[in-house]
Amino acid sequence: QQPVQSPQAVILREGEDAVINCSSSKALYSVHWYRQKHGEAPVFLMILLKGGEQMRHEKISASFNEKKQQSSLYLTASQLSYSGTYFCGTEQPGGSNYKLTFGKGTLLTVNP
Amino acid sequence: DVKVTQSSRYLVKRTGEKVFLECVQDMDHENMFWYRQDPGLGLRLIYFSYDVKMKEKGDIPEGYSVSREKKERFSLILESASTNQTSMYLCASRGLGPYEQYFGPGTRLTVT
Repeated sequence: QQPVQSPQAVILREGEDAVINCSSSKALYSVHWYRQKHGEAPVFLMILLKGGEQMRHEKISASFNEKKQQSSLYLTASQLSYSGTYFCGTEQPGGSNYKLTFGKGTLLTVNP
Repeated sequence: DVKVTQSSRYLVKRTGEKVFLECVQDMDHENMFWYRQDPGLGLRLIYFSYDVKMKEKGDIPEGYSVSREKKERFSLILESASTNQTSMYLCASRGLGPYEQYFGPGTRLTVT
């Protein structure tokens, strides 16, 4: 079952902050975050592991609440280059096949 | 740099044709995946393979099959293409452990 992402879309002005949420109905081992620009392949941003620390990638950070089976991606002081569709991919514990299930994505638009 | 390459960026086929989509990765990854991406639906897993000749169904395997005869190559086969299989197809690979997944550039398939 796909994780649920919210919001579906968000429009920002350059320099503003945004939060994208990812919620699963199943227990999670890890959460991956990817960004996809139009016409390109998704690009890895970060991975959060059960019991791990909050991760950062430049001005983008993320958290993972294992009990609530939720992850949030925080984009601080957004730049034009942050525009794209953000996907979370979730991995369940106990699996040996490293399969990720992706959400439907959040379209982020950063305007000047 | 890790590379995941796909045989075609664009493909146009007729209804009923047998279609082969090829994917090659150069990082000796054990796991390979085929996704389809449709607007508003995110990335949905079709099939994946965790070893040569080993495969498992993903979330939407109907109408597709796969082949993995060599570790670096993973093929998606549409036995009899239908118009509802018009989509963007993304291949990905991932090593063992909590590591990122690498995506290919995608093949946009149109079935007429």
